[in-house]
Amino acid sequence: GAGVSQSPSNKVTEKGKDVELRCDPISGHTALYWYRQSLGQGLEFLIYFQGNSAPDKSGLPSDRFSAERTGGSVSTLTIQRTQQEDSAVYLCASSQMTGATEAFFGQGTRLTVV
Amino acid sequence: SQQGEEDPQALSIQEGENATMNCSYKTSINNLQWYRQNSGRGLVHLILIRSNEREKHSGRLRVTLDTSKKSSSLLITASRAADTASYFCATDSGGSNYKLTFGKGTLLTVNP
Repeated sequence: GAGVSQSPSNKVTEKGKDVELRCDPISGHTALYWYRQSLGQGLEFLIYFQGNSAPDKSGLPSDRFSAERTGGSVSTLTIQRTQQEDSAVYLCASSQMTGATEAFFGQGTRLTVV
Repeated sequence: SQQGEEDPQALSIQEGENATMNCSYKTSINNLQWYRQNSGRGLVHLILIRSNEREKHSGRLRVTLDTSKKSSSLLITASRAADTASYFCATDSGGSNYKLTFGKGTLLTVNP
């Protein structure tokens, strides 16, 4: 595709429900990142997929968070048993792994847990 | 944990003035990048500087890198109201790890 696509753009869910956030990276990009951004704050690293290597999950805040990347392309971030503190904008980015690591971002998913 | 720390946290200037934002980081880097974010959504890449470079220009943007001080600065010259946004620096360690780590950002307001 022309850019990184994320869906849904907005999601309101009840506390305790599970949510799935989707990211379609730019075709051919082998690196994919998930970040979380609370209102007025910086980007909190969540998880990083790099080619066929094991993902770097060091940023996932709890075991309620998980992510997968199927076929080296689309990625899904799953949050189980959502809590109000999970409310944030979830940003996905992709890049090539050629040394110039410019990342291209999607427009994010705004998650609101009520 | 966040690698970069930008300062100031917020900066307000008049149109036509120059804006300087700084970024400090803790560990050795391969590349340092600056990004811009409007309205709390997707970030847009502005400029990348490699660890063996000291200065880079792109239009009204000038970036410097001082690896001995582990710091970088972003200068926007002749600012415009449309430059109002949050600006973030991001670093990667290179080698086999291209993970980008972002700072907390500087909110720039350019008043018309």
